[in-house]
Amino acid sequence: DTAVSQTPKYLVTQMGNDKSIKCEQNLGHDTMYWYKQDSKKFLKIMFSYNNKELIINETVPNRFSPKSPDKAHLNLHINSLELGDSAVYFCASSQDLPTSGREMVLTQYFGPGTRLTVL
Amino acid sequence: GIQVEQSPPDLILQEGANSTLRCNFSDSVNNLQWFHQNPWGQLINLFYIPSGTKQNGRLSATTVATERYSLLYISSSQTTDSGVYFCAVGNTGFQKLVFGTGTRLLVSP
Repeated sequence: DTAVSQTPKYLVTQMGNDKSIKCEQNLGHDTMYWYKQDSKKFLKIMFSYNNKELIINETVPNRFSPKSPDKAHLNLHINSLELGDSAVYFCASSQDLPTSGREMVLTQYFGPGTRLTVL
Repeated sequence: GIQVEQSPPDLILQEGANSTLRCNFSDSVNNLQWFHQNPWGQLINLFYIPSGTKQNGRLSATTVATERYSLLYISSSQTTDSGVYFCAVGNTGFQKLVFGTGTRLLVSP
C-alpha cells in the first residue's frame, strides 16, 4: 500500500536521449511536486501541481516538462539529457485539510526517488 | 528568497546519547517541516511544525517563529537514527518548501 510511488527507481541513459519518470500517489492529495537532489544532497523544488494545474515552476531548463493527467499522477519528461541532469529526482504530495476548526496541515510525503545517471 | 541554515553539518554520537539539531531561517514562515533521509535515500516526514512544540516518541521539535529558528531533539539515539536530517520552510501560499543543507548524523553502536 505504497503512498507515493515512482518508476523507474534507477535510470541510466546516454547524453542526448529523452526519458520520463512517473509518479503516482494513492493518498487522495491535491498537490504534487518534483524535487531534484544533487550529489551534495541539496534538495530543490522544480515543479508543483495542484489539481492538475501548474502552480510552482522554478528556474528549470525547458527541457524538463511535467505533466499531470489527473491529480493522482505527475510525470516528468526530460528531453536532450545532459550530464548535469544526473541526480536523484523525488516526487512528493500534500493535502490542505479543511480549515474550519482544524489545523491546515501541509505535510509533504515523498516517493522513494529515481536515481538518474546520464553517461 | 528565504535562506535556511542548519547546524551542525555533521554529528557523530554513541548509541544512547541525546542531541539537538538547529534550523535558522531568514524570514517569517508559515510552513516548517523536518525530514529524515535514511541511508537508503528515503525521505520521511518527521514533523510539520511552523510554531510550537511537538513530540513523537524519542523525537521532539520546537519552533520559535518570532526568533526564526527550530530545534529537533533526538533522545536515546539508536543506530537507525543515522542519516541526514533536513529542515524545510515555506512562506508563500503555494506550499513551496526551501530546504536547508541538512545535518548528517551517524550513530555508532
